[in-house]
Amino acid sequence: EAQVTQNPRYLITVTGKKLTVTCSQNMNHEYMSWYRQDPGLGLRQIYYSMNVEVTDKGDVPEGYKVSRKEKRNFPLILESPSPNQTSLYFCASIGPVSGANVLTFGAGSRLTVL
Amino acid sequence: AQKVTQAQTEISVVEKEDVTLDCVYETRDTTYYLFWYKQPPSGELVFLIRRNSFDEQNEISGRYSWNFQKSTSSFNFTITASQVVDSAVYFCALLNTGGFKTIFGAGTRLFVKA
Repeated sequence: EAQVTQNPRYLITVTGKKLTVTCSQNMNHEYMSWYRQDPGLGLRQIYYSMNVEVTDKGDVPEGYKVSRKEKRNFPLILESPSPNQTSLYFCASIGPVSGANVLTFGAGSRLTVL
Repeated sequence: AQKVTQAQTEISVVEKEDVTLDCVYETRDTTYYLFWYKQPPSGELVFLIRRNSFDEQNEISGRYSWNFQKSTSSFNFTITASQVVDSAVYFCALLNTGGFKTIFGAGTRLFVKA
């Protein structure tokens, strides 16, 4: 089944403790992206990647890092999480699904930073 | 600058009523994609439709229909004979095909009462 898989789905952590949210897709898509969803703000793009070793900042990149060493994986790294990074995070890939390029999202990762 | 505006924060209707969700976008790109996604209470993002900027043909899929008007930069979504299962948050999104930046609207929460 074509899908984007994120882990963990739920995480509670403390300020300053580094964490990584993994994202993997099995559709061989070149493009992947991370978003955060906050009430009243919709989804905002954090980082995106056009291909292996090619990443670029979205609208809210501060406090986050990403890497794209393999086509299928695009982890989101919070080096020193802070409470304002408490949010619902989505990973997505873009590529053809039934002939049309669409954004396919993971199930989401709910992060709480205390 | 790119922007997507969903002016309706919340809409409440009674089952079987028709409801239209508005989406207005801004972009300087001549080629772009527009999307609608549904986020049910379970939290996942479900793809509904994609439109290319050069394809202004309206589309109907069962009870759902979409009206794309480039002249007014709008991509509105109508649910005919709404059902309780339509209760969700609906997001409109713009994807520029050049750099693959994505902009989401803030979302419209639809309540359908039995």
